[in-house]
Amino acid sequence: QKEVEQDPGPLSVPEGAIVSLNCTYSNSAFQYFMWYRQYSRKGPELLMYTYSSGNKEDGRFTAQVDKSSKYISLFIRDSQPSDSATYLCAMSAGYGGSQGNLIFGKGTKLSVKP
Amino acid sequence: EAGVAQSPRYKIIEKRQSVAFWCNPISGHATLYWYQQILGQGPKLLIQFQNNGVVDDSQLPKDRFSAERLKGVDSTLKIQPAKLEDSAVYLCASSPDRAPNYGYTFGSGTRLTVV
Repeated sequence: QKEVEQDPGPLSVPEGAIVSLNCTYSNSAFQYFMWYRQYSRKGPELLMYTYSSGNKEDGRFTAQVDKSSKYISLFIRDSQPSDSATYLCAMSAGYGGSQGNLIFGKGTKLSVKP
Repeated sequence: EAGVAQSPRYKIIEKRQSVAFWCNPISGHATLYWYQQILGQGPKLLIQFQNNGVVDDSQLPKDRFSAERLKGVDSTLKIQPAKLEDSAVYLCASSPDRAPNYGYTFGSGTRLTVV
């Protein structure tokens, strides 16, 4: 079993739809959870991060972490064509040395149609 | 603030040849990472530097890959000899320190094709 599992999609939705992206993980030591957005031929850029369990909201984006289920989600409200990208979840056990290194999911390719 | 600079953007080489990639991190960022991203996969850490010292190189195929960080700033990643399975995007990232909640800043990567 991989440490981080993410459905690669692709996922296609109409403009204005609510998008739900998810990852599951197996390592209970993970404490920091991130979502990156990667446009074609670009490097990933940090979108959201959360520490431990709970929700975090930033504009149209909401990140949720359920450590008891080892499950994280990213919701995008009122999706726009500019949201079309690959979304990568990433997580780490903590600070310092190899503990702080990020383990990424495969990424989910999202396409928002006008 | 200038981003993480990488060069070249693209490289095509034949198997068994050697290749080198260069990375210039954000000024003042102490930590530098090299990731390998194979098509359809998430990035995988190859090596992490803190200033000019190696923190983690456990996933670096040391028989063919090498990396160095010059004076704690720029870094080069080398592959010698290259194999077909090395075809990937090589991403460099930097962060102010080891704290993951600051997030990494990634460069646009070098896309390597081995034929």
